[in-house]
Amino acid sequence: EAQVTQNPRYLITVTGKKLTVTCSQNMNHEYMSWYRQDPGLGLRQIYYSMNVEVTDKGDVPEGYKVSRKEKRNFPLILESPSPNQTSLYFCASNLSGQGASAGYTFGSGTRLTVV
Amino acid sequence: SQQGEEDPQALSIQEGENATMNCSYKTSINNLQWYRQNSGRGLVHLILIRSNEREKHSGRLRVTLDTSKKSSSLLITASRAADTASYFCGISETSGSRLTFGEGTQLTVNP
Repeated sequence: EAQVTQNPRYLITVTGKKLTVTCSQNMNHEYMSWYRQDPGLGLRQIYYSMNVEVTDKGDVPEGYKVSRKEKRNFPLILESPSPNQTSLYFCASNLSGQGASAGYTFGSGTRLTVV
Repeated sequence: SQQGEEDPQALSIQEGENATMNCSYKTSINNLQWYRQNSGRGLVHLILIRSNEREKHSGRLRVTLDTSKKSSSLLITASRAADTASYFCGISETSGSRLTFGEGTQLTVNP
């Protein structure tokens, strides 16, 4: 089944403890992206990648890192999480490296709580 | 920055009625996409309309696009309780490769 898989689904952590949220897609998509969703703010893009070793900042990149060493994986790294990073996170992918030429496929989400 | 703005923020209707949601945007676009999100779940792509198209249909969904007014509408006909969800428009700008979203419309269909 074609899908985007995120792990973990839920995560509670403490301020300052480094964490990684993994994202993997099995569709050979070139484009991958991370969003966060907060009440009243909608979905905001954190980082995106147009292909292997090509990443770029979205609208809210502060406090996050990403890497794209392989086509299928696009992990989101929080080096020193803070409570304002408590949010619902989504990974998404798209066939074309040019981005939104077709519909995106979204993962099921990771609900992160930083205390 | 967020480019899509959905209206209304919330909509409550009875089963069988039609639901119309609107999206306005600010810049030139390649295409506009509508997505559905069930509570706390990932977004699901519904339909894409390109900048040179004016109307598109998919099952009970009808999407229109007016580039002169920088707006789009999503019509769900003969709504069902299972249509209850949040609906988002995604804006693909001509200036880049990203897809940006607004805050969405929360649709409630009462049985």
